Amino acid sequence: DGGITQSPKYLFRKEGQNVTLSCEQNLNHDAMYWYRQDPGQGLRLIYYSQIVNDFQKGDIAEGYSVSREKKESFPLTVTSAQKNPTAFYLCASGLRGPNTGELFFGEGSRLTVL
Amino acid sequence: RKEVEQDPGPFNVPEGATVAFNCTYSNSASQSFFWYRQDCRKEPKLLMSVYSSGNEDGRFTAQLNRASQYISLLIRDSKLSDSATYLCVVPLNSGYALNFGKGTSLLVTP
Repeated sequence: DGGITQSPKYLFRKEGQNVTLSCEQNLNHDAMYWYRQDPGQGLRLIYYSQIVNDFQKGDIAEGYSVSREKKESFPLTVTSAQKNPTAFYLCASGLRGPNTGELFFGEGSRLTVL
Repeated sequence: RKEVEQDPGPFNVPEGATVAFNCTYSNSASQSFFWYRQDCRKEPKLLMSVYSSGNEDGRFTAQLNRASQYISLLIRDSKLSDSATYLCVVPLNSGYALNFGKGTSLLVTP
């Protein structure tokens, strides 16, 4: 079945540790996105990539890093520089281009910093 | 004006009621608009796309008013299963990513 897979679903980390969230898609989509959602809040864009080996910062990129070495994969690293990393992280993919259409989301990763 | 603004609600309505949500946006160049539905602690899923003046799908109708820069979502004959958060989505100014509103919470009660 085609879709987006995020792992892990739940993750706990200690302050000062980096953590990498995985996102894999087999929908043959060029574009991939990372959003963050806090309780009672909308989705905020962290990074997006329209094509392999290229990515752009979103509204809240500070403290995060990404790579796009393969079309299918767009991992997100939450670094120790991210001041408030506890959140629900959502990866999505879609067609590339202006006025991007439908996004397909993974089931999300819940990160808790202890 | 913020890029996408929604009334957070919550909207509490009885089964069978008609309910409408509004959303305002700032990017006058936007050509496409979307409503996503998000269930509690789940990922968002596309509900409707709006490319021209409006779109209808069963009990759901989305309308676009370009002059006033708002879109609306109308739900008729509400069902218990309609209880969710409805997210208004507009492309970013660059057009290469989507900007999500904070969502409007709907609770349909028996």
